[in-house]
Amino acid sequence: EAAVTQSPRSKVAVTGGKVTLSCHQTNNHDYMYWYRQDTGHGLRLIHYSYVADSTEKGDIPDGYKASRPSQENFSLILELASLSQTAVYFCASSVGTANTEVFFGKGTRLTVV
Amino acid sequence: GQQVQQSPASLVLQEGENAELQCNFSTSLNSMQWFYQRPEGSLVSLFYNPSGTKQSGRLTSTTVIKERRSSLHISSSQITDSGTYLCAMAVYGGSGNKLIFGTGTLLSVKP
Repeated sequence: EAAVTQSPRSKVAVTGGKVTLSCHQTNNHDYMYWYRQDTGHGLRLIHYSYVADSTEKGDIPDGYKASRPSQENFSLILELASLSQTAVYFCASSVGTANTEVFFGKGTRLTVV
Repeated sequence: GQQVQQSPASLVLQEGENAELQCNFSTSLNSMQWFYQRPEGSLVSLFYNPSGTKQSGRLTSTTVIKERRSSLHISSSQITDSGTYLCAMAVYGGSGNKLIFGTGTLLSVKP
C-alpha cells in the first residue's frame, strides 16, 4: 500500500530555533508537497518538489525552506521558528500526471513557544 | 483566485440521521478528493473522485465537474463519524496535482 510517513508526529520548538520536519514516501511518486493547516482552516501549500535536488515555492513559502535529497525524502526546514508557525504540517505525494490521487501523511503538530 | 466553498460549516446530528455535505469550486478543476480529519488531526482519504458517484459503505460521493460541485452523503450516522470533513479540488499544472482545500465541515454526532 502506498505510504507517506512523517516524523516527528509532534514537536515543541522554541522561538528562533531551527526545526526540521521529515517526510518519506514509498509510493515511487515524483511529486512531493508540504502543506500547512491552521486551526479551523483548510490546508495551504508551502513548498513542493517534482524531482530530487529541486524544490519549488508554493502559495505560502515565506519563513520555510525545503530539501529533496532523494525521490523518497522531502524535508521542511524552519530556520528561525516563530510563534506564527505553530500549526499542523502535512506531507503528501503524487504522480506527475493529471487526475490522480494525492496521498497524505498523518501530519506533524508543531508548537512554537 | 481559486476557492473552495464548503457547507455547512458545522453540523450536529442525532445518531442514525443522514447528512449531506457540499463543496462548490470557483474555477474549473481536474478532479477532487474528500478527506476525513480525525479529532486528533490526522487525515484519512475518503474518496478520490474526478467525476460521477462513488460509494464506500455508508459514504457516497457525487462529483459533477462541469457544474463545479461535489457532495458527500453520510447515511445512518454514527458517533464515530464525528470530526471534520474536508474537500479539495485538484488543479493540475506546473505544481503537479496541487490541492486547494475548503475550510471543512465540523460534524458532531450525538447519541
